[in-house]
Amino acid sequence: DAGITQSPRHKVTETGTPVTLRCHQTENHRYMYWYRQDPGHGLRLIHYSYGVKDTDKGEVSDGYSVSRSKTEDFLLTLESATSSQTSVYFCAISSGESYEQYFGPGTRLTVT
Amino acid sequence: GENVEQHPSTLSVQEGDSAVIKCTYSDSASNYFPWYKQELGKRPQLIIDIRSNVGEKKDQRIAVTLNKTAKHFSLHITETQPEDSAVYFCAASGDDKIIFGKGTRLHILP
Repeated sequence: DAGITQSPRHKVTETGTPVTLRCHQTENHRYMYWYRQDPGHGLRLIHYSYGVKDTDKGEVSDGYSVSRSKTEDFLLTLESATSSQTSVYFCAISSGESYEQYFGPGTRLTVT
Repeated sequence: GENVEQHPSTLSVQEGDSAVIKCTYSDSASNYFPWYKQELGKRPQLIIDIRSNVGEKKDQRIAVTLNKTAKHFSLHITETQPEDSAVYFCAASGDDKIIFGKGTRLHILP
């Protein structure tokens, strides 16, 4: 597996609380992505980054924000978590020289 | 934007038989088509990909075909084995983003 880690791996939080998920890579890849995976929906892109401080929205960005202050770290923040944001969140990276994306181990988030 | 449709959503085949999963895409600018395999509780893993300048690509028991005119691409798994049981995702990309299909759950029956 490519050098990608996600933290935390599991989290349970209450509705209305802020939550930050972290993706860390050791591959020095330019592109980083956040997806959510829900039964029946496959993998849906939330936000992505094409460089430090350069980010853009994906298909399902409402309720999420991201930041990338260093090449190796990409943070996903839920400002005020809702039950509809209960999901498995995957980070992915890509060099940009090819289109190939490699996924992190995932974070299971439960909002009660 | 790009839309990827994947069929079937569930597929059961006898061990040793072949499995075929089909996808269509909407954006004619897409030029990269990867396939991912996801085992239960694990991350998606890239298993094979094809680019628009190629019609077919093989890697041992798996092959992908691409018909750009019809905007169709398919995954073929021959001589299926128990370890092929997983969810398979097709995807399409023409820029920085990859759009995924909803997945096919493949069951290999003994």
